[in-house]
Amino acid sequence: DTGVSQDPRHKITKRGQNVTFRCDPISEHNRLYWYRQTLGQGPEFLTYFQNEAQLEKSRLLSDRFSAERPKGSFSTLEIQRTEQGDSAMYLCASSLADGYTFGSGTRLTVV
Amino acid sequence: KQEVTQIPAALSVPEGENLVLNCSFTDSAIYNLQWFRQDPGKGLTSLLLIQSSQREQTSGRLNASLDKSSGRSTLYIAASQPGDSATYLCAVTPGTYKYIFGTGTRLKVLA
Repeated sequence: DTGVSQDPRHKITKRGQNVTFRCDPISEHNRLYWYRQTLGQGPEFLTYFQNEAQLEKSRLLSDRFSAERPKGSFSTLEIQRTEQGDSAMYLCASSLADGYTFGSGTRLTVV
Repeated sequence: KQEVTQIPAALSVPEGENLVLNCSFTDSAIYNLQWFRQDPGKGLTSLLLIQSSQREQTSGRLNASLDKSSGRSTLYIAASQPGDSATYLCAVTPGTYKYIFGTGTRLKVLA
C-alpha cells in the first residue's frame, strides 16, 4: 500500500486547453473524493465516488469539469477550456470508513 | 450552513514551547472532526480523528480535544520543534462523506 497517488504533480497549461488529472486511491478504499484548494484557503469539496458511482457534485464543479471512476478503481478529473480561475491545487482523497487519506495533489497553473 | 474557523491564522513560536491551535464550528451536529497537517505545496496528512462521542485523542506530542456542544476543538502541541512548522487544518463532517475545512493556522517554530 503506497497511499493515494496523484499524477501529474504539476501542470502548466495555456488558457483554453483541456487538462486531465489522475488519482489512484488506496486499493481497498471504496470512496474517493476530489477537492480544490486555492492559496491561503482550506480545501473545498468538488465531488465524491462510492465505488464507480459519482454520488455528488458540488456547485463549484461547472459544466467544464468532469470526473470518472471506471470500475471503481482510479479516478480522473478533466477540466475543459481551462480558465485562469481554475489555477489551484487539486487534491484527491480516499477512505474506507471514517477519516480521509489524501494524495499529494496536482498543482494546476493556467497561463 | 456549517462554517469552520481557525484562530490564530498564523503563529510563530520559539522551539520548545507548548502551543494550542483553535478550531470552532457553527453547527454542533457533527459526526467527527479531523486535524490535518499540510506542508507548503503538498497534500494533507491526517494527524488525529475525533469521533463526536469522544472528548480527546492523543498521538505522541499531539493532543486534540473536542467540545461538540460549544462547537470547539483544540490541538495541543507539546515541546514544539522546527519540524512542526506547517499549516494545520481542522475539518468536520456531519456524517456524510464530505468534510468542511477551516482556512488553517500557519505555524512557524523558530530554532
